[in-house]
Formats: sequence, C-alpha cells, structure tokens
Amino acid sequence: NAGVTQTPKFRILKIGQSMTLQCTQDMNHNYMYWYRQDPGMGLKLIYYSVGAGITDKGEVPNGYNVSRSTTEDFPLRLELAAPSQTSVYFCASSYSARQYQETQYFGPGTRLLVL
Amino acid sequence: TQLLEQSPQFLSIQEGENLTVYCNSSSVFSSLQWYRQEPGEGPVLLVTVVTGGEVKKLKRLTFQFGDARKDSSLHITAAQTGDTGLYLCAGEIREDSNYQLIWGAGTKLIIKP
Repeated sequence: NAGVTQTPKFRILKIGQSMTLQCTQDMNHNYMYWYRQDPGMGLKLIYYSVGAGITDKGEVPNGYNVSRSTTEDFPLRLELAAPSQTSVYFCASSYSARQYQETQYFGPGTRLLVL
Repeated sequence: TQLLEQSPQFLSIQEGENLTVYCNSSSVFSSLQWYRQEPGEGPVLLVTVVTGGEVKKLKRLTFQFGDARKDSSLHITAAQTGDTGLYLCAGEIREDSNYQLIWGAGTKLIIKP
C-alpha cells in the first residue's frame, strides 16, 4: 500500500492564481482531512470528509474548497491564492472518526509559497 | 477556544541525555495521541493514551497521561540522534456524535551526536 499520497510536493503561486492540491489514499478509509501547518503552530483543520459525497468545514475553511467524488480522492482547491495561504498542507485519512482512538495517517505534505 | 500547549517549543541536547516534553490543556480529553514528524514528512503516530494515569512505553520513550486527562508527558531516556524530530500531541474531544482533534504546536527536538 502506498498509504496517503499528495501532489505536488512544492509549488509557487502568484497572488490571485488558483490551484488544486491532490490527495489519494489506498487504504479504503472513510474519513479524509486537510490540514495546514504554519511554522510554530499546530495543525489547523481546513476541511474534512466522512465519505464520498460528504464534506464539512474545519477550523480554517476560508479561501479553500474541497470535493469528494470517490473514497480514494480528496482534492483541495485554492481559488484566489493569497500570501496568507503560504503554508505546508497535509492530507490525512482514517478508517472512521467514530471509533475510539482513531489513528490518522498522513501524506508527505505539499509546500505552498504564494508571492 | 480549546488550546493544547506544548513545552518546551525547542530543545537541543547531547546524545545520551534524558529529556521530558509536556503537553498541557485546561480541557479534558477522551484520549491523547503523540506523533513524531520528520522534516519533509507528515506526522506518524507513536502512541495513544486513554486512561487517566496511564503509562505506555515504546522502547526508550515513556508516555504518561495525567490523572485528570488534561495533560501528558513524553520522557526519552538516553536520547539518540534518530530521536530528532518534531513531537506533536493531539487531544481527542468527543461530545455526543461530534469528534474533534486538538493539536499542539509541537516540540522541536534536536539530538546532537
């Protein structure tokens, strides 16, 4: 199993550009998450999904959109990139958040720089 | 706002020394997880503690959950250069059907040879 994969690994965007961060998992997990990690800060949840066709906002959803058309894929869309979106983005998945002590499995991250 | 504070933020010690890092909150957690993150990679789960006062050991790493389930500590004995990384704690809060994972900012640990 490849686990959770993310593309691209690194991207530079100009202000106002848009892009999609890709995330795929091959563990047949129901739950998927998008986090951003800023230096010296904890992980902040952007959006999550409990299954195909179902998504919900996390702590910091503004400026982002997501979709979940399949169990495997959970892309994150930035429509109008802003410098405040410079960060490292992590995708994660878990079998279920309704089970006690659920483990989240993380991808390697996408480093995004908005200039 | 639920906060999970980790201390110290940064720690640099010599190989062979012992160290303890802390994770503190005013919130009560259903469980608490410790992750290690290496540069350029995502966090990887080390352990989950569930019961107040619980102690779990993972080789030279000892994890303890506070009696009130509001805090936790990670003690490393005889640190090795391979222990270098960012250590994150995450507390699980469950209210009815709602589930939330609160993340600390991490402790950046450097073990010098």
